Amino acid sequence: DAGVIQSPRHEVTEMGQEVTLRCKPISGHNSLFWYRQTMMRGLELLIYFNNNVPIDDSGMPEDRFSAKMPNASFSTLKIQPSEPRDSAVYFCASSYAGLYEQYFGPGTRLTVT
Amino acid sequence: AQKVTQAQTEISVVEKEDVTLDCVYETRDTTYYLFWYKQPPSGELVFLIRRNSFDEQNEISGRYSWNFQKSTSSFNFTITASQVVDSAVYFCALSNAETSGSRLTFGEGTQLTVNP
Repeated sequence: DAGVIQSPRHEVTEMGQEVTLRCKPISGHNSLFWYRQTMMRGLELLIYFNNNVPIDDSGMPEDRFSAKMPNASFSTLKIQPSEPRDSAVYFCASSYAGLYEQYFGPGTRLTVT
Repeated sequence: AQKVTQAQTEISVVEKEDVTLDCVYETRDTTYYLFWYKQPPSGELVFLIRRNSFDEQNEISGRYSWNFQKSTSSFNFTITASQVVDSAVYFCALSNAETSGSRLTFGEGTQLTVNP
């Protein structure tokens, strides 16, 4: 079975540009999570969805960040406009029923110059 | 509030040594789950184990073993006969279904370096 798929794996963009990160969860999983990892803050949960519905977005840094899950097999995390402090590795993870182990994608390394 | 503490920031051992990574957690709820994840230099996060709060049996998987003790709120991870490939950052995490849904609270991680 394929694991969690994320694209792109690397993204370099200039400040002010829009960035869209994509995630395909493991088939059959009904919970999806977006995390950000930096040296300063470690792993932070940004938002999670249960059955395509956002349950907790309290970790989203500010209005520049938005996430959608239009169906069970696809989610996006958008940053508009991007800033240098958004540079980080963004992970998507999925799990079954939300209470069990989360399986992580390979991450997207975002660099905003 | 829940919290996970991994007091060891970095550990360095020589191959074949045994090493224990400490994890202490705080939660007010009676039902919760504990996890360990491995993040090798390649960057991905790999799930290693899940334990629920009602199961205090220790677990062994090959060279890996986990010691869960509710009395001390600890969930320690031991690697026996360490190998260079064990070099990674290891994260302990807590999920508390009653108060935080599916949110995982991660510790700061322990960087393990196994030298040949």
